[in-house]
Amino acid sequence: AQTVTQSQPEMSVQEAETVTLSCTYDTSESNYYLFWYKQPPSRQMILVIRQEAYKQQNATENRFSVNFQKAAKSFSLKISDSQLGDTAMYFCAFISTYNTDKLIFGTGTRLQVFP
Amino acid sequence: DVKVTQSSRYLVKRTGEKVFLECVQDMDHENMFWYRQDPGLGLRLIYFSYDVKMKEKGDIPEGYSVSREKKERFSLILESASTNQTSMYLCASSLFFLRGATNEKLFFGSGTQLSVL
Repeated sequence: AQTVTQSQPEMSVQEAETVTLSCTYDTSESNYYLFWYKQPPSRQMILVIRQEAYKQQNATENRFSVNFQKAAKSFSLKISDSQLGDTAMYFCAFISTYNTDKLIFGTGTRLQVFP
Repeated sequence: DVKVTQSSRYLVKRTGEKVFLECVQDMDHENMFWYRQDPGLGLRLIYFSYDVKMKEKGDIPEGYSVSREKKERFSLILESASTNQTSMYLCASSLFFLRGATNEKLFFGSGTQLSVL
């Protein structure tokens, strides 16, 4: 069975600094998608970034980028120039292209950005 | 923008009560999902639906049922609420069924925090 692990329950960073959130996953499949979702205090889950496993190039979205290491099954999220509005829970998620009934979520990392 | 609306932000119920959590989406999405979010456990899928009157069990369907009589509305039902069902419930929708459209993103509601006393 596929699993997603986020080993950092909580992290903090100072405004304007860079922070990296870790995510590892376990799968025997070669083709899949990985996602990072953000859940701010408003509780509205928002898609931050998406990576396709067959693409070697790491995805980027403005200040957000990923370090996708397929062999190591690692998918970390880097937030550059952190802003107070980045304070949120961040969830890593996985979906297989072969068994795509549902997304599998990690347990989340709570990020606090300090002024 | 897609809007997914959950009828209650906070709900307090008694053990044994029948509880309805309502979710409505306004973008004609085919697929709707109910997740449960608990600290340290992340999001776990309860049920999902890919068409009107269709439903499929997720990872933790026990103690829950669902209803999808209209495309835009997906209800989660707790037949007899228990204290271990105290949790945050998140509804989500997507345009295509995730099977065959794996880059499709989910749109989430703002959640219902349910407390069962």
